[in-house]
Amino acid sequence: AQSVAQPEDQVNVAEGNPLTVKCTYSVSGNPYLFWYVQYPNRGLQFLLKYITGDNLVKGSYGFEAEFNKSQTSFHLKKPSALVSDSALYFCAVRKYTGTASKLTFGTGTRLQVTL
Amino acid sequence: ETGVTQTPRHLVMGMTNKKSLKCEQHLGHNAMYWYKQSAKKPLELMFVYSLEERVENNSVPSRFSPECPNSSHLFLHLHTLQPEDSALYLCASSQDATGSYNEQFFGPGTRLTVL
Repeated sequence: AQSVAQPEDQVNVAEGNPLTVKCTYSVSGNPYLFWYVQYPNRGLQFLLKYITGDNLVKGSYGFEAEFNKSQTSFHLKKPSALVSDSALYFCAVRKYTGTASKLTFGTGTRLQVTL
Repeated sequence: ETGVTQTPRHLVMGMTNKKSLKCEQHLGHNAMYWYKQSAKKPLELMFVYSLEERVENNSVPSRFSPECPNSSHLFLHLHTLQPEDSALYLCASSQDATGSYNEQFFGPGTRLTVL
């Protein structure tokens, strides 16, 4: 079965420092991986995706993610965190069921950026 | 916002009430989705519609009844709900339901409380 795991419920980082939000995956075949962010009282917003190609994927708001096949990881990163980055982050993997592409989400990681 | 709107944003209902959630997408997409987001649980996919046809039903109880009259509108009809159905209900859309590359765009959600 396709699944993703986010091992950290919360990540705390000071503004200006680099941040990493971890995600590992378990899939059969080639993985299609996504990161979404959810701000308070809002729906999920797409950040970036990995389908194929370069292992370093660049996305919205200065975020990037590194696909590592040997470690089955897809960690989200940003070189310099902002207080406004504080939100809930979800990793997801696509699964095709034969009738539709479904996204299976992780449990989410809350990012707290402080001054 | 992402081009997907949901109404109402908040809903409180008794277990014997009948209510409906509405979703509208202004993106010209052909696929729409209903998700349930409960505290400390991964997002749960409930239904997938492709060109107004239901293509996925993830073992959702019959007290939840979806309706997709056209590719821009999606409803979730609720009746005789249980307190454990209290959650954030998210609607999403994508270009199509089967594409590997199509990220989903989410609405802000309806916060449902069942008394």
